[in-house]
Amino acid sequence: GAVVSQHPSRVICKSGTSVKIECRSLDFQATTMFWYRQFPKQSLMLMATSNEGSKATYEQGVEKDKFLINHASLTLSTLTVTSAHPEDSSFYICSARGTGDHEQYFGPGTRLTVT
Amino acid sequence: GQNIDQPTEMTATEGAIVQINCTYQTSGFNGLFWYQQHAGEAPTFLSYNVLDGLEEKGRFSSFLSRSKGYSYLLLKELQMKDSASYLCAVTDSNYQLIWGAGTKLIIKP
Repeated sequence: GAVVSQHPSRVICKSGTSVKIECRSLDFQATTMFWYRQFPKQSLMLMATSNEGSKATYEQGVEKDKFLINHASLTLSTLTVTSAHPEDSSFYICSARGTGDHEQYFGPGTRLTVT
Repeated sequence: GQNIDQPTEMTATEGAIVQINCTYQTSGFNGLFWYQQHAGEAPTFLSYNVLDGLEEKGRFSSFLSRSKGYSYLLLKELQMKDSASYLCAVTDSNYQLIWGAGTKLIIKP
């Protein structure tokens, strides 16, 4: 149990376009979802935390108008990278946590390349 | 500030035992996690400690001392597939996960 999927697994887009990444909890209700970014050879960096039905809480230094997060249901959160630039190229990973659960279950990640 | 320290890189031999240490200073404590991450993949859960002591799960064990702000992950009977990064993460008083930078473990035959 506790499976989290992400789509797409890889995406290449042109500079200036927007990209949407979906994160789904397949067999549990995710009251909280987290979005991380990871650059090569670095640790995970939390971008934002979202609770179902409310606005996401962004970490310091993360532009909320650039990285749009929607957590409209207990099984789906989306991250939209708007007006993407090459420096946004990274590995984006979501995780999900159920009510009363202490563990975060990670999706497989999405590798974004902006050309 | 909040801080998690773990060695950047370790090397061990196939079949041997290795211990990866993690020390933390956080605002509150609600549990410590160890995750394994292979290159290009998302982290996978290994262990969770919230009380002092040793948790054993097959070849992997994790130890916690809350008074010392210290944990270790012990890997026995090392296999080549254990080559990965091992991430220590602590849940603080706000239930936020604070991540260490990870320890890259290199297994040599």
